[in-house]
Amino acid sequence: DTEVTQTPKHLVMGMTNKKSLKCEQHMGHRAMYWYKQKAKKPPELMFVYSYEKLSINESVPSRFSPECPNSSLLNLHLHALQPEDSALYLCASSQGGSSYNEQFFGPGTRLTVL
Amino acid sequence: AQSVTQLGSHVSVSEGALVLLRCNYSSSVPPYLFWYVQYPNQGLQLLLKYTSAATLVKGINGFEAEFKKSETSFHLTKPSAHMSDAAEYFCAVMSSSASKIIFGSGTRLSIRP
Repeated sequence: DTEVTQTPKHLVMGMTNKKSLKCEQHMGHRAMYWYKQKAKKPPELMFVYSYEKLSINESVPSRFSPECPNSSLLNLHLHALQPEDSALYLCASSQGGSSYNEQFFGPGTRLTVL
Repeated sequence: AQSVTQLGSHVSVSEGALVLLRCNYSSSVPPYLFWYVQYPNQGLQLLLKYTSAATLVKGINGFEAEFKKSETSFHLTKPSAHMSDAAEYFCAVMSSSASKIIFGSGTRLSIRP
């Protein structure tokens, strides 16, 4: 299995809602990532988990809360989002550690905040 | 610090013509470079990667890229464009700590019939 899966594919939420994005991989990768991508822009790194520990937080607002329950799963909990948070949220994974390996991306969750 | 610059936010070529997408890098250490493709409403897919094994790297879908240290370039080429190549292309470099990938601003490739 060389796939990163993300659910849901689309999500519409109000500013007072709480929702979660889910990401899963079964490639034995030990590093997982969350990116935010606005239209016509490159992905912006939000969080990196390495061996299930948060290793990078790119100064993301606290209304985004990541969680890594185990080495195969990565969640992004959303609360009190703003309309400007509407974007494509991409999950990725890589072998991790100090290896210079490419990241494998999921198809993304298209988030709309009303 | 590592960075990449993609020259041209939009490139348009005719079907069957040569595709050339430009990428220049800046790195204080030998770089690990990537080209990713993103089709509309999809995630990113790796086209090819350079990890110092060979300067000419062949990737999927007929694409290749040549690493030129003297020019600090890693341009992406394909001899004959196909309509299905229309997409956004991102050049990227691995950070020196290997903790993250740094993306260029992207080049949108359009194919004219």
